[in-house]
Formats: sequence, C-alpha cells, structure tokens
Amino acid sequence: NAGVTQTPKFQVLKTGQSMTLQCAQDMNHEYMSWYRQDPGMGLRLIHYSVGAGITDQGEVPNGYNVSRSTTEDFPLRLLSAAPSQTSVYFCASSRWGTGYEQYFGPGTRLTVT
Amino acid sequence: KQEVTQIPAALSVPEGENLVLNCSFTDSAIYNLQWFRQDPGKGLTSLLLIQSSQREQTSGRLNASLDKSSGRSTLYIAASQPGDSATYLCAVRLGSNDYKLSFGAGTTVTVRA
Repeated sequence: NAGVTQTPKFQVLKTGQSMTLQCAQDMNHEYMSWYRQDPGMGLRLIHYSVGAGITDQGEVPNGYNVSRSTTEDFPLRLLSAAPSQTSVYFCASSRWGTGYEQYFGPGTRLTVT
Repeated sequence: KQEVTQIPAALSVPEGENLVLNCSFTDSAIYNLQWFRQDPGKGLTSLLLIQSSQREQTSGRLNASLDKSSGRSTLYIAASQPGDSATYLCAVRLGSNDYKLSFGAGTTVTVRA
C-alpha cells in the first residue's frame, strides 16, 4: 500500500491564482480530511469527508473547496489564493475499525506571493 | 472548545536518558488520544492511539498513559537515541461522530549523542 499520497510537494502561487491540491489513499478509508499547519498555530482542520459524496467544513474552511467523488480521492481547491494561505497542507485518512486512527500524507508546502 | 497543551515546547537530553513528554487537554470527555511523530519537512507518523477506555498503550520503547479525569497524557520513550530527535504531537478526538482532531503545538526533542 502507498498509504496517503499528496501532490505536489511544493507549490508557489501568485495572489489570486487558483489551484488544486491532490490527495489519494489506497486503504479504503471512509474518512478523509485536510489540515493546515502554521507555526505557532498547530494543525487546524479545513474540511473533511465521511464518505464519497459527503463533505463538511472544519474550523478554517474559508477560501477552500472540496469534493469527494470516490472513496480514494479528496482534492482541496484554493479558489483565489491569498498570502494568508501560505502554509503546509496535510491530508489524512482513517476508518472506523481502527478507532479512527489517523494516517497522514507527506504534505504540500504552499507559498502565495 | 477543546484546548490541547504540550509543555515544554522543546527538550534536549543526552542519549540513553528516558524521555517524558506531556499533553494536557481541557475537555476530559474525549473519545481517544493519538500521539504522532513529525520529522522536519515531513508528514505525521502515528505512534500510539489510546481509546478513552484505556489507561495506557505500549509499542516497543514507547509507552503512553492516559488519565482522562485529570486531562493528561504522557508519552514515555525509554533509552532515547539520536534517531528519536523529532517533534512529538498529541491530538484528541472528542467523540465518535466528532471528526475533528484537536492538536497540541508539539514538543521538539533533541537527543544528543
């Protein structure tokens, strides 16, 4: 198993540009989520999904969109990038049978200039 | 709102010393608590998951305890090695239907050879 994979690893955007961060898992996990990690702020939940076709907002959803058309994929879209979205983004997945033990991807480091 | 605190923020010990990492949380009605390791520029690796009904979990040199009533968890790493140098994060889940993990800011550990 590849586990949780994320692409790209690094990305530089200009203010106002849009892009999609990709996340995929091959463990047949129902639950997937996106976090951002900022110095001094810890990890904060952006959006999550409990299954294909079901998504919901976390604590910092503004400026981001998600969709879940398959169990495996959970892309995060930045609609109009802002410097405040400079961060490291992590995708995570889990399933009920493991008590929701979370598995994280390697992260995408995004810089918005 | 669940607040998770990890003190100290940084720790430096000589090789061979036992490590004791602390995690405290404000809402004791948790579902589970998970300890992670994060190496610089990398994603989070799950170390131990403790369900609310458990008092401790062990894996090799790692032992994590949970005291819900006092809102505390402790991660013990026996006989530390330079390879244990990393940032250790704890995260709390409030309920089985609460999909958000509340993270502490982490303790950065340096093990000196």
